[in-house]
Amino acid sequence: QQQVKQSPQSLIVQKGGISIINCAYENTAFDYFPWYQQFPGKGPALLIAIRPDVSEKKEGRFTISFNKSAKQFSLHIMDSQPGDSATYFCAANGDRDDKIIFGKGTRLHILP
Amino acid sequence: GAGVSQSPSNKVTEKGKDVELRCDPISGHTALYWYRQSLGQGLEFLIYFQGNSAPDKSGLPSDRFSAERTGGSVSTLTIQRTQQEDSAVYLCASSQGLAPYEQYFGPGTRLTVT
Repeated sequence: QQQVKQSPQSLIVQKGGISIINCAYENTAFDYFPWYQQFPGKGPALLIAIRPDVSEKKEGRFTISFNKSAKQFSLHIMDSQPGDSATYFCAANGDRDDKIIFGKGTRLHILP
Repeated sequence: GAGVSQSPSNKVTEKGKDVELRCDPISGHTALYWYRQSLGQGLEFLIYFQGNSAPDKSGLPSDRFSAERTGGSVSTLTIQRTQQEDSAVYLCASSQGLAPYEQYFGPGTRLTVT
């Protein structure tokens, strides 16, 4: 119940294309869903986050889509650029739980 | 302001030796987390401190691993009698301890056990 399942494990996208990473969760008590971005040799950093009271959140080229009934959420990167090449982690936690549950990560490579 | 810092950035040690890894969280952050990341893998939760509460040690893989947090600030992760399988990047994160509990990560310590 505490797991967050992330797919795919790795993803290769052409420059200018759309990158899509999917996550699913079981625990309906989760109410905060962040995405973290990690570049090689660095720690993860918060990229964008959503609460389940909205179905979509957009920040620049990055969009989270949220489907509460299906307990799924996804990250879309529009007009993907080589600089977006990184590992992306989805995560979830509940309002009363400050221990974030991370997905296993997706290694994204954008071809120049 | 300053972010989360960790030291050393790299540590090479011989199998069987003890190592100490240090984390300086963001000033004022009450929550501190340790994670382990093996090469190309996800984030493995190790231990979590929140204020003066007893730490959540549920992720520590064995009794060779321990951590303490002094004065509610700096934390030290200690690995005794290191094994080759302990080789990984050890990441520390801190948060304000309030919803939505955004975590700020340090750059990590790369530990290599030879």
